[in-house]
Formats: sequence, C-alpha cells, structure tokens
Amino acid sequence: EAGVTQFPSHSVIEKGQTVTLRCDPISGHDNLYWYRRVMGKEIKFLLHFVKESKQDESGMPNNRFLAERTGGTYSTLKVQPAELEDSGVYFCASSLAGGYTEAFFGQGTRLTVV
Amino acid sequence: KNEVEQSPQNLTAQEGEFITINCSYSVGISALHWLQQHPGGGIVSLFMLSSGKKKHGRLIATINIQEKHSSLHITASHPRDSAVYICAVYYGGSQGNLIFGKGTKLSVKP
Repeated sequence: EAGVTQFPSHSVIEKGQTVTLRCDPISGHDNLYWYRRVMGKEIKFLLHFVKESKQDESGMPNNRFLAERTGGTYSTLKVQPAELEDSGVYFCASSLAGGYTEAFFGQGTRLTVV
Repeated sequence: KNEVEQSPQNLTAQEGEFITINCSYSVGISALHWLQQHPGGGIVSLFMLSSGKKKHGRLIATINIQEKHSSLHITASHPRDSAVYICAVYYGGSQGNLIFGKGTKLSVKP
C-alpha cells in the first residue's frame, strides 16, 4: 500500500511567485496534517483536516497560505505570493479517524524562495 | 524557550555502541512521539507512547510522565541508524497539533 506522497519533492521559486504543494494521504485516512520546518528551527504544526473540513488551522502563519482538501482526499497548500521566509521543508502526514492514532509522514517538499 | 527540549543536539558514536537520546517537555501531555528523519528528508514514526516502555527491534523508548521525560535508546548501533531523531508531544489539543523538539543528529561511524 502506498504511503503518504508529496509533490513536488523540491521547488525553487522567486519571491512574489505562487507555489502549490500537494499531499496524497494514505487511502482511508480521514485526518491530514500539514507541518513545516524552516531553517534551523523545529518542525511546526500548520493545520489539520478531517476529511474536507479544517479542524484546526491555528498554525497557519498568515493569509498568504491557503490549504484545501476538496473531496476529502488529497490536499493542496498554496503560498501566494511567496516570501523569502517561506523557505523550508513542508511535511504532510495522515492518520486514521477515531481517537488519537499514529500519524504517517510524507517525504516532504523542500521549498526555496529566492 | 521551546517547550520540548532534546539532548544532545549532536551525537557521534562508534558502531556497536549503546545510544541514548533524551527528551524533556514542560507541559502535560497525552502522548509522545519519537520520529526519525533520514538524509533526504522523509520522516518515519518510530514510537507513540503515553506511559511505560516500548521496544521495536534494537530501539527502546521509555517515558516518565511524572518527570516529564522520555528517552530513546538504540542498542548495538549501526551506521544505518545515522539520522535525526525528533521528539514530539501531543498535549491534547487538536489532533496532530504536535510540539516538536529540534531534533538530535546522530552519526554512527563504522
């Protein structure tokens, strides 16, 4: 069975451009999470979907970030317009519904804004 | 100050050595995760625990809720264990809203 997959693995864009990251969770996992790690810092929670609904988006840094999960399957995280401080590694994870269960992580997308 | 502190930040060991990585946290938690991140970036969940001790192969994780402390032990370490080990705690907020430590970079030399 496929794990959590993220696209692209790397992205280099110029400041002011738009980038869209995609996450495909494990099939059947209702919970989907986005995290990011900026250089030299610890990983930070961004938001949590349950199916297509945003359960918690308290970690989203500002309104340049937009996450969607239409249909409750894959999710996208759009950064528009990108700033230099958005550079980092963006991780996605998913877990089964029902109580607190183990999350499975993707390989991450390394975003570099120049 | 980060609410999750790991020590050491960097660790170099010889193959075969017993390794301990520590994690201390400052808030009451519902669960604690140990994660492994290999060069190349992917994260693998090693353990999720809320009490006691868990063992998987050469890896052992323990947690002391009263002392707000967890340890990850690696027995008979091997170069393929070289990775960043990350402690993350779940304090009972929104599911998945974890607080992460900065990680411990382990290098095991042959």
